[in-house]
Amino acid sequence: DADVTQTPRNRITKTGKRIMLECSQTKGHDRMYWYRQDPGLGLRLIYYSFDVKDINKGEISDGYSVSRQAQAKFSLSLESAIPNQTALYFCATSARTGSNQPQHFGDGTRLSIL
Amino acid sequence: QQQVKQSPQSLIVQKGGISIINCAYENTAFDYFPWYQQFPGKGPALLIAIRPDVSEKKEGRFTISFNKSAKQFSLHIMDSQPGDSATYFCAARADFRGSARQLTFGSGTQLTVLP
Repeated sequence: DADVTQTPRNRITKTGKRIMLECSQTKGHDRMYWYRQDPGLGLRLIYYSFDVKDINKGEISDGYSVSRQAQAKFSLSLESAIPNQTALYFCATSARTGSNQPQHFGDGTRLSIL
Repeated sequence: QQQVKQSPQSLIVQKGGISIINCAYENTAFDYFPWYQQFPGKGPALLIAIRPDVSEKKEGRFTISFNKSAKQFSLHIMDSQPGDSATYFCAARADFRGSARQLTFGSGTQLTVLP
């Protein structure tokens, strides 16, 4: 089983719909992140959470919200989806201890908004 | 806005050749420079990383070269293999109050190694 699991893997929906992307992890990490990947733009940070009670906006948080339901679960919501939110979304985790802990990514959710 | 500029956008190399991907940054507070490798349908995975107190780090066929004065770092893949075909991202992280030590990624390089 994957250490960082994202659901769904693919989603097609219409403009204006509410969408939730879910992420769960079995790595026991405290820190979780949501990124979006667009061609030619790399990975951009949407939100991050250092523990259940700590949630922070990233570089491109407008139009998104998150919920950290438990240490192992971090969900991303699009309250009213728009076409320019079509992208590949990744969840990642990292450990708290140590100065340069790597981030561990899930396999992504491909989201298309028509 | 913190930025990391990566080039080239795509790279085609013959099997056995050397692949070179370059990144440049502006923020002198960056103190950790990882490279991530991403295969189609998968998330990125850490490949190799360097701190600015050394000029080079080598792991197998993969080497990071770091030039602090020029604010540039590069990934060299020696004896490139078709299995190295992937997208490569450079990244940087700052260590200063308020930064929360978040990674800033480059735009990615799609590497194709021809058999």
